[in-house]
Amino acid sequence: GESVGLHLPTLSVQEGDNSIINCAYSNSASDYFIWYKQESGKGPQFIIDIRSNMDKRQGQRVTVLLNKTVKHLSLQIAATQPGDSAVYLCAENLENTGNQFYFGTGTSLTVIP
Amino acid sequence: NAGVTQTPKFRILKIGQSMTLQCTQDMNHNYMYWYRQDPGMGLKLIYYSVGAGITDKGEVPNGYNVSRSTTEDFPLRLELAAPSQTSVYFCASRQTTRGLGYTFGSGTRLTVV
Repeated sequence: GESVGLHLPTLSVQEGDNSIINCAYSNSASDYFIWYKQESGKGPQFIIDIRSNMDKRQGQRVTVLLNKTVKHLSLQIAATQPGDSAVYLCAENLENTGNQFYFGTGTSLTVIP
Repeated sequence: NAGVTQTPKFRILKIGQSMTLQCTQDMNHNYMYWYRQDPGMGLKLIYYSVGAGITDKGEVPNGYNVSRSTTEDFPLRLELAAPSQTSVYFCASRQTTRGLGYTFGSGTRLTVV
């Protein structure tokens, strides 16, 4: 999962396998979460979001799970493809207490063909 | 629809020089942000703006200045560049509601030597 520090967590998976990327968020009161995908040399791009009144949300090949009890967020990618290789960032936000999202350090996913 | 446009993409500065990183968005977003991203670290907020004429400091504002004279533009000014400002800088914008989070620019890679 993500952590603060100089070494980016890494995950390597075989093409076609499922990937699970984890994130421990910091504020138990955060009520909105987003997963971003950041390809090399590019800005982060929105993948999927979830609000705190949900435990699970599914998109196309991606699922986000939220466990508020342990402040844990995960991103599941089904049938991982080489194009999924990137850094994945989780972000948290608390409505009405600030205007910014807070980001984790990211997890680097490498898909092995 | 160009989204968020940042210029330049790359820049090398000498210690003590100054420069302005440009950011323009064409989505009529009120909220705009400047982040820096260092290797193995999460995105750190430098400055943000909730509308034209309004700016506020983020987590790491020292050594930077911003202005917001129009909704579209949010330039970041570096005065007296220092090696510690070597980083990748991302501009982002979002709509007033939180849904879908930020739209990011492609980044400016700055090296101070």
